[in-house]
Amino acid sequence: DADVTQTPRNRITKTGKRIMLECSQTKGHDRMYWYRQDPGLGLRLIYYSFDVKDINKGEISDGYSVSRQAQAKFSLSLESAIPNQTALYFCATSDPSDGTSNYGYTFGSGTRLTVV
Amino acid sequence: QKEVEQNSGPLSVPEGAIASLNCTYSDRGSQSFFWYRQYSGKSPELIMSIYSNGDKEDGRFTAQLNKASQYVSLLIRDSQPSDSATYLCAVLWGNFGNEKLTFGTGTRLTIIP
Repeated sequence: DADVTQTPRNRITKTGKRIMLECSQTKGHDRMYWYRQDPGLGLRLIYYSFDVKDINKGEISDGYSVSRQAQAKFSLSLESAIPNQTALYFCATSDPSDGTSNYGYTFGSGTRLTVV
Repeated sequence: QKEVEQNSGPLSVPEGAIASLNCTYSDRGSQSFFWYRQYSGKSPELIMSIYSNGDKEDGRFTAQLNKASQYVSLLIRDSQPSDSATYLCAVLWGNFGNEKLTFGTGTRLTIIP
């Protein structure tokens, strides 16, 4: 099984619908992140969480919300989806104390979301 | 807003040659730098990290850091077709305990057989 699992892998939804993207990890990392990737714009941070009780907005949080249900689970919700939220969404984890990667992020496989 | 700049490419390099990828960053206080490789439709994969000025080598990859010039580069020697991907530069910034990565937009590299 993958260290960081995202579901669903692909989703098509209609404008105005609420949708949740889920992320779970088996790495035991406290820190989790949600990014979106758009062609030409790179990876942009939506929300991040450094532990279960900590939630922080990233650079593009408008229209999104998150829930950190447990150390291993971090969900991203689009309250009312709009077409410009069509993108590839990645969840990532990190552990600054991990000597092998030292802040390097481990990414999930991504969720390709299309809002029509 | 912390910025990380990369030439978007595409950069085409013949097989067996050296590919050189460049990145500049705006936060002079940044201390940690990373290179990720991303194949089309896949997730980014960490390939190199560098924290000190100078060169760091790992197999065919060499990362170079010049903090005075706020410049990071990645060299790929003996380029192979499997190296064709988008390469993302990432810079860690923020106060201790609140560090986050900012990514560049990536450079698309194509190795020509």
